[in-house]
Amino acid sequence: EIVLTQSPGTLSLSPGERVTLSCRASWSVSSNYLSWYQQKPGQAPRLLMYGASNRATGIPDRFSGSGSGTDFTLTIRRLEPEDFAVYYCQQYSSSPYTFGQGTKLEIK
Amino acid sequence: QVQLQESGPGLVKPSETLSLTCTVSGGSISSSYWSWIRQPAGEGLEWIGRISPSGSTSYSPSLNSRVTMSVDTSKNQFSLKLSSVTAADTAVYYCARDVSWFDPWGPGTLVIVSS
Repeated sequence: EIVLTQSPGTLSLSPGERVTLSCRASWSVSSNYLSWYQQKPGQAPRLLMYGASNRATGIPDRFSGSGSGTDFTLTIRRLEPEDFAVYYCQQYSSSPYTFGQGTKLEIK
Repeated sequence: QVQLQESGPGLVKPSETLSLTCTVSGGSISSSYWSWIRQPAGEGLEWIGRISPSGSTSYSPSLNSRVTMSVDTSKNQFSLKLSSVTAADTAVYYCARDVSWFDPWGPGTLVIVSS
């Protein structure tokens, strides 16, 4: 199975800052079959990006995704207070689907 | 828009079978694949498996021997059974529409395995 490794584990940042989260795959993710989710405490994950760089419906354009092969990133251009959460990547290139272990964004 | 809701017992005894149902509203279950995903407290997400409207399934190899999924198109529901549970199966269980990525998700239901 494809193992996804996210880094860093935790980031302490301030509103207004720019942040880039990393997701690295143990094998190439074909056709950029990678998605990103945001999860806030007590809530289900919410889809942010699919196909590595396509924003889901209703996701603000301060969120962007990029990458290919084994290296993918999620960038948040200017952090808003509501962006502090845990972010997960997920690959659907091969079964079983797998998730990264998550990156937690916390307010500095 | 499509909404999902998990239901089932919140407490299951060790060695017994966990059974959950996901009810789909606002759309037809025949329009997509559907998945179950779980999350132990304070941990990450684990994909359990998926089911098609016709009932064909694909399970995670780590759970394959204990998982059974089914679909009831007349009720717009799909279900999960996980047998021989242990404390390690304690988690929040989510159902989600599976278009390869997952969207939307149900709110999740906590299942505790304890005697």
